[in-house]
This record gives sequence, structure tokens and C-alpha cells, in this order.
Amino acid sequence: NAGVTQTPKFQVLKTGQSMTLQCAQDMNHEYMSWYRQDPGMGLRLIHYSVGAGITDQGEVPNGYNVSRSTTEDFPLRLLSAAPSQTSVYFCASRSGATGNTIYFGEGSWLTVV
Amino acid sequence: TQLLEQSPQFLSIQEGENLTVYCNSSSVFSSLQWYRQEPGEGPVLLVTVVTGGEVKKLKRLTFQFGDARKDSSLHITAAQPGDTGLYLCAAAFGNEKLTFGTGTRLTIIP
Repeated sequence: NAGVTQTPKFQVLKTGQSMTLQCAQDMNHEYMSWYRQDPGMGLRLIHYSVGAGITDQGEVPNGYNVSRSTTEDFPLRLLSAAPSQTSVYFCASRSGATGNTIYFGEGSWLTVV
Repeated sequence: TQLLEQSPQFLSIQEGENLTVYCNSSSVFSSLQWYRQEPGEGPVLLVTVVTGGEVKKLKRLTFQFGDARKDSSLHITAAQPGDTGLYLCAAAFGNEKLTFGTGTRLTIIP
């Protein structure tokens, strides 16, 4: 029962490097999203998608790109990493309406030095 | 941008005590969820409330949705060490986005 799978679990980047955080779900959920979690800031929405081929910006989209070519996958790309992007990143998915259960991945710990 | 304020930010109490944490907004929610998150893991849904005045119980946890749909509370009776964690509220304001509060970090001391 995989649910939402994120990789990598841990990553250290140098300032200016680019990388992609992978996210896959096997529940056929239409809605997928990426959040970052910083101390004292809660979870902040970066980007979200309501279906394949459709993406939209969340609260803190700058410095990140996403695409949704399939229902299952929703990768998050950091274009040119900055120390301010040091954070824990969570991918999530849900089926249907906003009040339905959101399933989160286990998180990706990213450090930018 | 709608904001969700949670209070208190930190709470440390003895095992067996009762506690209440709060989630407030200046805007009306269409639905509200409570999550618990343990270290090294993603948040896990505890409950969803959608009707003003609604009360839901989950064992020793009681969740209430305010009549005006701008606030919610989580009450824990006879807290146990297993209740330790970060409690997050998350609200929908009538669109696809879910806004999370800043969380209450709860520690139950044996």
C-alpha cells in the first residue's frame, strides 16, 4: 500500500544548483500539491494541480516549477537553489472535494548551503 | 491570503490533564480539518468538520466547529504521552486550496 511516495528523503544542495523532488501516488487522485514546512510557519502551499495537464500557484511559488504530465506524478523542480529554500517539503494528494482526506508523503528534507 | 491562527503555539502538560487548542480565522471556512504530525512524518488527518456548530468525537479528542464557521477547537481529555505531536488545523475557504495554521506543539509529560 504505497500511497504517496516522495524521493529523495534527504538532499544537500549548493546555492545555485537545480534539482527535482519526485512525488508519485497510486490512488488515482486528481488533486496533488506541494507544501513546504518551516519552523513556526506551518505548511505553506507551493503549487497544486487538479488534474493531469493542469497546475496552479499556491502561496509561495517563486523559485519552484511543477508539471503534471500524468495523474500519478507531480515533480517539484528547484530552478536555482537558495538557502531560503532550506525546508522540509511534503507532497500530498486527495480525491475530489476540498473537504476530503489529504494523504501526505513522508517528506523530503532539503538543505541548501 | 486567508490566515489561520492557532493557539497556543506550544503546550506542555502532565499526563492525565485536559487541554484545549484553538484555530481561528477572520474569514468563513467551507470546511476545516485537524491533523496530527509526528517527527519525521507527514501530517495525518484526524477529522473533518463542515457544518457550523458541529461537534465530533474521536475517543478522548473532541472537535468543535464554531457556529460562525470562523473558528474551531480541539479538546483532549486525560492526555496521554501518545498524544504528543504537532496539531495542525487546515481550512478551505471555498476554493481548491487548503490553508494550514502554524500548529500547536503538544508535549505530554509522563
